[in-house]
Amino acid sequence: DTAVSQTPKYLVTQMGNDKSIKCEQNLGHDTMYWYKQDSKKFLKIMFSYNNKELIINETVPNRFSPKSPDKAHLNLHINSLELGDSAVYFCASSQGQTTNEKLFFGSGTQLSVL
Amino acid sequence: AQSVTQPDIHITVSEGASLELRCNYSYGATPYLFWYVQSPGQGLQLLLKYFSGDTLVQGIKGFEAEFKRSQSSFNLRKPSVHWSDAAEYFCAVGGQTGANNLFFGTGTRLTVIP
Repeated sequence: DTAVSQTPKYLVTQMGNDKSIKCEQNLGHDTMYWYKQDSKKFLKIMFSYNNKELIINETVPNRFSPKSPDKAHLNLHINSLELGDSAVYFCASSQGQTTNEKLFFGSGTQLSVL
Repeated sequence: AQSVTQPDIHITVSEGASLELRCNYSYGATPYLFWYVQSPGQGLQLLLKYFSGDTLVQGIKGFEAEFKRSQSSFNLRKPSVHWSDAAEYFCAVGGQTGANNLFFGTGTRLTVIP
């Protein structure tokens, strides 16, 4: 069973559209994250939730809205998609919210905005 | 401000040869340090981490890393590389307090030739 699964794996869409990426973890972890990896492989945290509560919110356009219906799910909704949003988006989870916790990553969603 | 530098974008080694991947960091306090590996089409997987104590840490898959405070480095090593080690390697730094907000380097791509 996949520990952290995200769907879809590939997402191709037009500028201006609204899209969502879903993430689920079956590890029983309390904390979940969204990371963005750009074309230069630079990986940067976007959001972190602990027990459905937002704890990290980096400087991200407010077109990006995370939603955590329960602690096993953290979805990412993106409004009015722009060319610069093209990237690979990784969901991750950890048992707790501190830095010494091991991160478990999903296999990524490659978003292409045309 | 925190930063991570991985000076080698791409390294090619022969199978069976030794490997060293460089990582230099900048952090205002005592850091937590990590190495993650990303295989093609996959999420990142933790190889090893340093929090305190012995400056030489052992990880999975035969990897080790040495923390050198005086050089602000945390280089990753493996004595004999296997073809399956071909992947992208990321060094990351985080703080010992606060939420899990790792800062990643831009990665080093490892190619292994037979």
